[in-house]
Amino acid sequence: AQSVTQLGSHVSVSEGALVLLRCNYSSSVPPYLFWYVQYPNQGLQLLLKYTSAATLVKGINGFEAEFKKSETSFHLTKPSAHMSDAAEYFCAVSPLGDGGFKTIFGAGTRLFVKA
Amino acid sequence: NAGVTQTPKFQVLKTGQSMTLQCAQDMNHEYMSWYRQDPGMGLRLIHYSVGAGITDQGEVPNGYNVSRSTTEDFPLRLLSAAPSQTSVYFCASSQPEGLAGAGELFFGEGSRLTVL
Repeated sequence: AQSVTQLGSHVSVSEGALVLLRCNYSSSVPPYLFWYVQYPNQGLQLLLKYTSAATLVKGINGFEAEFKKSETSFHLTKPSAHMSDAAEYFCAVSPLGDGGFKTIFGAGTRLFVKA
Repeated sequence: NAGVTQTPKFQVLKTGQSMTLQCAQDMNHEYMSWYRQDPGMGLRLIHYSVGAGITDQGEVPNGYNVSRSTTEDFPLRLLSAAPSQTSVYFCASSQPEGLAGAGELFFGEGSRLTVL
């Protein structure tokens, strides 16, 4: 069985500060790992994806995430927050070889960016 | 490209009414799925389809019906609406392993449903 835990339902940072959103997963098989972003009143869109290649994954808008198997973590970071980063972020896991339709999502972390 | 299109965007129903949420994709993706989003619970899978004529249940299928007669369309039917079905519904499409973008879900903009 797979599961995803996102630590912190809300995170607040100042503009220009480091963004760190935490995600831990459990999976009985090698997983795909994802971060999706949801802007207000929109659907989710892919931020980045880990598929067992490089452990450090770079995504859109300056975000990146590092896969750490020993810690079963896939934390999302951005060196300098921008006001436009305010959104809800979802960590997700899917079994390798799956077409994505069995993706399991975390509860989400809402990021607030203060001027 | 329109991607994944959902209609309607907003709907209010009374308890016991039925309705259909429409979903269409123009990316020729094999897989389609329906999720519901509730505060603090992330997205939960309702039903999914791996191709025309093939559907299966997800985590929370009760009270919902689906069919897939074409690759493009995947409607979600609420048989007898209940207040517990008040939620935001998302349709998504994806590709199987071995194809470009495998595993990534492409989402519609959502349908916000309120059941009174």
